[in-house]
Amino acid sequence: SQQGEEDPQALSIQEGENATMNCSYKTSINNLQWYRQNSGRGLVHLILIRSNEREKHSGRLRVTLDTSKKSSSLLITASRAADTASYFCATGYSTLTFGKGTMLLVSP
Amino acid sequence: DVKVTQSSRYLVKRTGEKVFLECVQDMDHENMFWYRQDPGLGLRLIYFSYDVKMKEKGDIPEGYSVSREKKERFSLILESASTNQTSMYLCASSFALGQALQATNTGELFFGEGSRLTVL
Repeated sequence: SQQGEEDPQALSIQEGENATMNCSYKTSINNLQWYRQNSGRGLVHLILIRSNEREKHSGRLRVTLDTSKKSSSLLITASRAADTASYFCATGYSTLTFGKGTMLLVSP
Repeated sequence: DVKVTQSSRYLVKRTGEKVFLECVQDMDHENMFWYRQDPGLGLRLIYFSYDVKMKEKGDIPEGYSVSREKKERFSLILESASTNQTSMYLCASSFALGQALQATNTGELFFGEGSRLTVL
């Protein structure tokens, strides 16, 4: 099955800084999705980028996709303490396979 | 908003007990999924269903079964709970390809809040 792997495993920044998380995957995709999970809660869909797109924005989120390198990045600009969460990339056709996630800590 | 409701947020069961985890979605989604999430292992797919009475094995189906008698409800069953099934269980649902009115149906999953199961 296809699988995304996020990097870094953990990231600690100050409020106002930008946070960048990366995802690598192994096989061809039709789209790549990013999800967020607050501690002990379910996952929430953030953004989806299709295989024919290179960049997509949603509020303070910016996602890029490089299919030649089989990689994606999620940038959160002007981070807030409320952005503290784990972030997962996911790929798949009939079912989604998730990476192990990046744990982001944003300190006030 | 789509709502996926899992019946119990926290459960404590004993080894050998039969455990039912219930999941209900209110958006008429065709697809429903059960994942488990463990530290260091991420999310792993247990079972999924594309339609009523349909079920497909995911990556780790051993020790589990599922039931989908109604479109909105997908149950995960642990026939005889074991300590290695202590985990966070996440239910999710999504539109099937072609079900959504918009042409850009993309398989976004809507998750419940999770059920944390401890087996003693």
